[in-house]
Amino acid sequence: EPEVTQTPSHQVTQMGQEVILRCVPISNHLYFYWYRQILGQKVEFLVSFYNNEISEKSEIFDDQFSVERPDGSNFTLKIRSTKLEDSAMYFCASREQGARTEAFFGQGTRLTVV
Amino acid sequence: QKEVEQDPGPLSVPEGAIVSLNCTYSNSAFQYFMWYRQYSRKGPELLMYTYSSGNKEDGRFTAQVDKSSKYISLFIRDSQPSDSATYLCAMSSYGQNFVFGPGTRLSVLP
Repeated sequence: EPEVTQTPSHQVTQMGQEVILRCVPISNHLYFYWYRQILGQKVEFLVSFYNNEISEKSEIFDDQFSVERPDGSNFTLKIRSTKLEDSAMYFCASREQGARTEAFFGQGTRLTVV
Repeated sequence: QKEVEQDPGPLSVPEGAIVSLNCTYSNSAFQYFMWYRQYSRKGPELLMYTYSSGNKEDGRFTAQVDKSSKYISLFIRDSQPSDSATYLCAMSSYGQNFVFGPGTRLSVLP
């Protein structure tokens, strides 16, 4: 069964360092998302991406964050200068063309900023 | 008022019980409703997807949407210990991102 895959599963980084989280969405999907979940808190929307551009972003997604689809399969989230409060699970999701379709999530990358 | 509300639980039930999980929401533009199951430190796993009001059944799971009351439910029949997880509702309006509830933690006791 097709699935969204994310790498790495766990990333530890020092405060101020740049990190890149990687996602391979389901192959025929056209809408891509990043969400995050701070431990014990709700899943929060970061950004959505369609047709090679950001379609929507939240207040959390400030200038320190960027997304890219560098090729036909990968979708990345970059955090330029990590802060302690960026420590969270980051989930990538994708869905097919059309608004009336459900989103499928990856298993997440646990980011720990020390 | 929060956009999507869910009782955080924990909800403990004996094996075989019928479980009822609920979410309320404030945004009348929401049309697409999903239920996800999340095991500890794992990604949300899609259980049910419904569009607009009505019922949908899939195996032991039934999803209900009442848009007039801004209320959605997930029923689990014949609950199993393996159903122990956090259940997240999520919803969106046309072409928009998904907004999640905080989740309800369920424990099914053998």
